[in-house]
Amino acid sequence: GDSVTQMEGPVTLSEEAFLTINCTYTATGYPSLFWYVQYPGEGLQLLLKATKADDKGSNKGFEATYRKETTSFHLEKGSVQVSDSAVYFCALSANSGGSNYKLTFGKGTLLTVNP
Amino acid sequence: EPEVTQTPSHQVTQMGQEVILRCVPISNHLYFYWYRQILGQKVEFLVSFYNNEISEKSEIFDDQFSVERPDGSNFTLKIRSTKLEDSAMYFCASRRGLNEKLFFGSGTQLSVL
Repeated sequence: GDSVTQMEGPVTLSEEAFLTINCTYTATGYPSLFWYVQYPGEGLQLLLKATKADDKGSNKGFEATYRKETTSFHLEKGSVQVSDSAVYFCALSANSGGSNYKLTFGKGTLLTVNP
Repeated sequence: EPEVTQTPSHQVTQMGQEVILRCVPISNHLYFYWYRQILGQKVEFLVSFYNNEISEKSEIFDDQFSVERPDGSNFTLKIRSTKLEDSAMYFCASRRGLNEKLFFGSGTQLSVL
């Protein structure tokens, strides 16, 4: 079945450091890929997405590129801020075969950014 | 931005008791979901609901679980006889269309003692 594997946390960085959170996936067909973020006390929010190979999703300085050849969707940000401290979830949606567009998530990676 | 609202934020119950987790999806949304996350594990799909019926469910969603949209605004998850392993954060989500953005609530932390 479909699965998502993402970098184990927690990740602790200083402000303005470069961030990478690795994510790889296994899926049949051509899934859509997502990064969700959960700030303390809040629900999961869509951060960015990509729906086909070589698409780059971007939002709030974060980027991720859909790499079909390596089945990856790594999240990057060039300069993190304290306000980026949150849990980040990689997810896929298999948009075929009666999946009803449900999401398959990774475990989540806790990011803490120190001033 | 509109929000999906979940209540309560924390629920503690005794093993064997029934619990109902409540969600108010965004008002013009048509597709509804429950997910859960056991501590330290992945967020897992439980069930999807559309047009007043379950459209898909996972193997986790056995006879112990049920969902209902009783009044056109609430969307509830009932666990009939809770087990210790049901302790998890339960997330409700909704969206207007299948290709549209999915909105999540902030979750209900269920603790079964």
